[in-house]
Amino acid sequence: AQKVTQTQTSISVMEKTTVTMDCVYETQDSSYFLFWYKQTASGEIVFLIRQDSYKKENATVGHYSLNFQKPKSSIGLIITATQIEDSAVYFCAMREGITGNTGKLIFGLGTTLQVQP
Amino acid sequence: EAAVTQSPRNKVAVTGGKVTLSCNQTNNHNNMYWYRQDTGHGLRLIHYSYGAGSTEKGDIPDGYKASRPSQENFSLILELATPSQTSVYFCASGDAADFYEQYFGPGTRLTVL
Repeated sequence: AQKVTQTQTSISVMEKTTVTMDCVYETQDSSYFLFWYKQTASGEIVFLIRQDSYKKENATVGHYSLNFQKPKSSIGLIITATQIEDSAVYFCAMREGITGNTGKLIFGLGTTLQVQP
Repeated sequence: EAAVTQSPRNKVAVTGGKVTLSCNQTNNHNNMYWYRQDTGHGLRLIHYSYGAGSTEKGDIPDGYKASRPSQENFSLILELATPSQTSVYFCASGDAADFYEQYFGPGTRLTVL
């Protein structure tokens, strides 16, 4: 069965450092898509970045990048030069190709990131 | 110009009452979704829709109905609200053109007394 696991409940880092948040997933599908979302203190949920399973290159958007390790079923989110505003809960999610046009996502439980000044 | 809006943002209901949560999107996405978010459970899918007139059950549909009268609007209906349905509800939209990246509304905090 499909599953997304975020083992880190919370992380605290100093501002301007780099942080990596872990995510592992389980799927029987050969084609799948992985997403990271950010939920701010106000509750807003924002899409950050996507990795397609058939792409070997790690996705990068702004100061977010991914560490996609397909053999390990792992998709880590890397935030470089962290800012106070990066403090939030980060969710990893997966969509399997077999879900067709449902677009259904399976979410992990999230990792709370606190960036200290 | 928020692309996904929800109303109301906060709602207090009584047990046994009917509650309707509304969602509107201007993304012109075919798919829309309703989730609830609870501590320890993350985001769980209640209902979703492929387009106007369609509704499908998600992972936790019991006690909820959905309605998609148009491309833009998707409602979640609690016919007989119970305290266990106290939660934060999120609506989202997505489409194949965007690889089904989902775009979320601001959420509705529902308390059932």
